[in-house]
Amino acid sequence: GAVVSQHPSWVICKSGTSVKIECRSLDFQATTMFWYRQFPKQSLMLMATSNEGSKATYEQGVEKDKFLINHASLTLSTLTVTSAHPEDSSFYICSARNAGSSYNEQFFGPGTRLTVL
Amino acid sequence: GENVEQHPSTLSVQEGDSAVIKCTYSDSASNYFPWYKQELGKRPQLIIDIRSNVGEKKDQRIAVTLNKTAKHFSLHITETQPEDSAVYFCAASRAAGNKLTFGGGTRVLVKP
Repeated sequence: GAVVSQHPSWVICKSGTSVKIECRSLDFQATTMFWYRQFPKQSLMLMATSNEGSKATYEQGVEKDKFLINHASLTLSTLTVTSAHPEDSSFYICSARNAGSSYNEQFFGPGTRLTVL
Repeated sequence: GENVEQHPSTLSVQEGDSAVIKCTYSDSASNYFPWYKQELGKRPQLIIDIRSNVGEKKDQRIAVTLNKTAKHFSLHITETQPEDSAVYFCAASRAAGNKLTFGGGTRVLVKP
């Protein structure tokens, strides 16, 4: 149980294009999903909190118009990196919180490695 | 907001020895403290967690202790094996639905 999938696992794109990353909870409902960014040999940096049916909450310093988040159902959240540039290259990981849990147990997706040329 | 500090940043142990990683947190309202293990290029995996109503929790070779008064918690790995080599992250969180704040991570190397 508590499986989270992420698609694609890796993507290479040209500078200026947009890339969409999907995060799905496969066997549980997730009212809240989180999007993280991780640079090599560093910790996970929370970008935004995605709540089903409402606008995402972005962390300080994260551009909401650049990193568009949609959480249209209890099992799917998407992150779109708009007008990507080489500095957006990173490992993006989502996590999902089990709606049935009273504590903040989060389960992570396998991550998406984005390379912007 | 919450601030979590983790030490050491790297830890090298001989196979069979114990490893201890320590974390401190700043928000006294935090009540959930998970530990994640991340292998290179892979997702963080929840290995153990502890809630504020208990002081210690054990799962086979892994144990976590929590001192709410001092606001610190620790991960203990006994009888370490080469497959324990990975990066370990501690985290802290308030009530359900709130974000996790992660420590900086500890790179553990178990030498055979």
